[in-house]
Order: sequence, then C-alpha cells, then structure tokens
Amino acid sequence: GQNIDQPTEMTATEGAIVQINCTYQTSGFNGLFWYQQHAGEAPTFLSYNVLDGLEEKGRFSSFLSRSKGYSYLLLKELQMKDSASYLCAVSVPPQTDSWGKLQFGAGTQVVVTP
Amino acid sequence: NAGVTQTPKFQVLKTGQSMTLQCAQDMNHEYMSWYRQDPGMGLRLIHYSVGAGITDQGEVPNGYNVSRSTTEDFPLRLLSAAPSQTSVYFCASSYSGWQANTEAFFGQGTRLTVV
Repeated sequence: GQNIDQPTEMTATEGAIVQINCTYQTSGFNGLFWYQQHAGEAPTFLSYNVLDGLEEKGRFSSFLSRSKGYSYLLLKELQMKDSASYLCAVSVPPQTDSWGKLQFGAGTQVVVTP
Repeated sequence: NAGVTQTPKFQVLKTGQSMTLQCAQDMNHEYMSWYRQDPGMGLRLIHYSVGAGITDQGEVPNGYNVSRSTTEDFPLRLLSAAPSQTSVYFCASSYSGWQANTEAFFGQGTRLTVV
C-alpha cells in the first residue's frame, strides 16, 4: 500500500513562517506535488519536486529528499489568505497491476491568526 | 478555456437511488480520475482512466462505475446510493497520470448527500 503522512493542523501568526512536513512510503516515486485547497473549493497546484533539493516560488518553497522519503512546504510571510488545507501528493509510476496514479495525503489545515 | 467542468455541484439522493456525476475537460488530457474527499481522510482515488476505453480501479471503487468513451468525458456512476457515499467528489485531469511534472486540474466538486 501507499503511505503519505502529514500533520493534521498547524497554527501560525500573520507574517510568520510555517513548515509543513510530508513523509511518504510508496511503491515507486515519480515526483511529489503540493496543492492548496481553500474551504469549499477545489485543490490548486502549488509546487512540484522530482529531484532532491529546494524549489522556490515566491513566498512558497518546497523541499524534497528522496532517500528519506521526505518533503516539506515552507510558507513565508504568512497572510490571512494562506489559511487553507495543504495537500501532499506523490506521483506513483505504473506497476505490474496498475497504471500510474497520483496519491494524496490527508492534508494539513493551516490556520493563520492576526 | 473551461478547464474541468463537473456537474452537479450539489445533490441529495435517497438510499438505493442511482445517479451519474458528469465530468468534462477541454484540455485534451489523456488522464482523468475521480476522487472522494471525506473529513480527515484526504483525497481517495475511486477510478481513473489513462485514455479513451481504458479505466482502472483506485483505492475505493466499490459502489461506483466508470467508462471513458471519449477523451473529453469521464462520468462516474453510483449504482445504488448508500449513506457511506455521502462525500465531496472531485474529478481531475492531467496530461499524464505519472509522468514527471504533470499537474492535475480539478473540477469544482460535487457535494453529495445520501439520506
């Protein structure tokens, strides 16, 4: 089976930094995605890592260590609009009994307080 | 571009009724999938398709049927609705299901309640 774990909830203050960790154990790996989902809305793409290291995109950065099965999403200069659920997802390549697929973790609810 | 269009947005069913959730995309994506989202459980894969005529089961396929007769459309059928199928359903499409750097685009979701 596939295991993708992330914390359930994190709270941080406006202007601060929050780091959301994601660990995974999957039957193959072809990349890790982070999605943002505001309440009542669809997930939207934030970032993608396939090689080890840090990818920076404005206030958001994502890090990957394939040997450790570990990623994090770093949100800097938090704004109230960053209050949302953040979903970690692993792209699993085709196996003998299935085509490739995108597997999601349960999501981390980030609450930004004034 | 419409992207991924999912209908209906809200639906209430009685136990035992059947219905079809519609999903259409206009991006010529080969890969389409259906997820359900329940509190604390994230997005769980129901069924997916890697192209017209090719579908496969995900983690939670029981009680659902799919077919893919065209590239654009991927409907999800509930055969006999049960209260356990109360959930938010998302359709997603991407250029590929597993190749590197192919982000998924999601429909707006269907909030389904089975009473």
